[in-house]
Amino acid sequence: DAGVTQSPTHLIKTRGQQVTLRCSPKSGHDTVSWYQQALGQGPQFIFQYYEEEERQRGNFPDRFSGHQFPNYSSELNVNALLLGDSALYLCASSEGTNTEAFFGQGTRLTVV
Amino acid sequence: AQSVTQLDSQVPVFEEAPVELRCNYSSSVSVYLFWYVQYPNQGLQLLLKYLSGSTLVKGINGFEAEFNKSQTSFHLRKPSVHISDTAEYFCAVTPNQGGKLIFGQGTELSVKP
Repeated sequence: DAGVTQSPTHLIKTRGQQVTLRCSPKSGHDTVSWYQQALGQGPQFIFQYYEEEERQRGNFPDRFSGHQFPNYSSELNVNALLLGDSALYLCASSEGTNTEAFFGQGTRLTVV
Repeated sequence: AQSVTQLDSQVPVFEEAPVELRCNYSSSVSVYLFWYVQYPNQGLQLLLKYLSGSTLVKGINGFEAEFNKSQTSFHLRKPSVHISDTAEYFCAVTPNQGGKLIFGQGTELSVKP
């Protein structure tokens, strides 16, 4: 079992650009959540997808959007990147309402 | 709304000494509680969780935590730490099964020889 996999592991973007991050959930999991972890901070919830729909959303602007595919994989899109979007983006998957979320290794995004 | 406060940002300790990492939470509804560990350049790994039942919860790597409802605390303990326990530790809560996790700011545990 490969667990939760995220790609890419690192990337560098310029202010104003757009970025897409990808996540494949753990086998058997159908729910995907995304978190932003700024340096020295705890993770902040962005949103959660279940059955290809956004089920919950945190306090993030509309520049942050997502998608879940029929195979339960997910994408996080961020438009009009700001320097403050530089962070580790974590994907977590879970099985329906199961409370245990398994996290991926994260994607380190640097905006210059 | 819920919030989590980890009372110590850094905890230095010598190898084989006991350690306690403190976590308080605030919530108007019942919550589920978690501790996660994050090693450098890694994602989060679940150490233990409290859902219901016994207030003393045992987790992986010899860690345990005690849920105290009256004090709204969920402190993490280990009787004897190893160098390999050096990492960032996060306390988290959620009001709903499978819902969003609300994390504390983290506690950096540094184990010295």
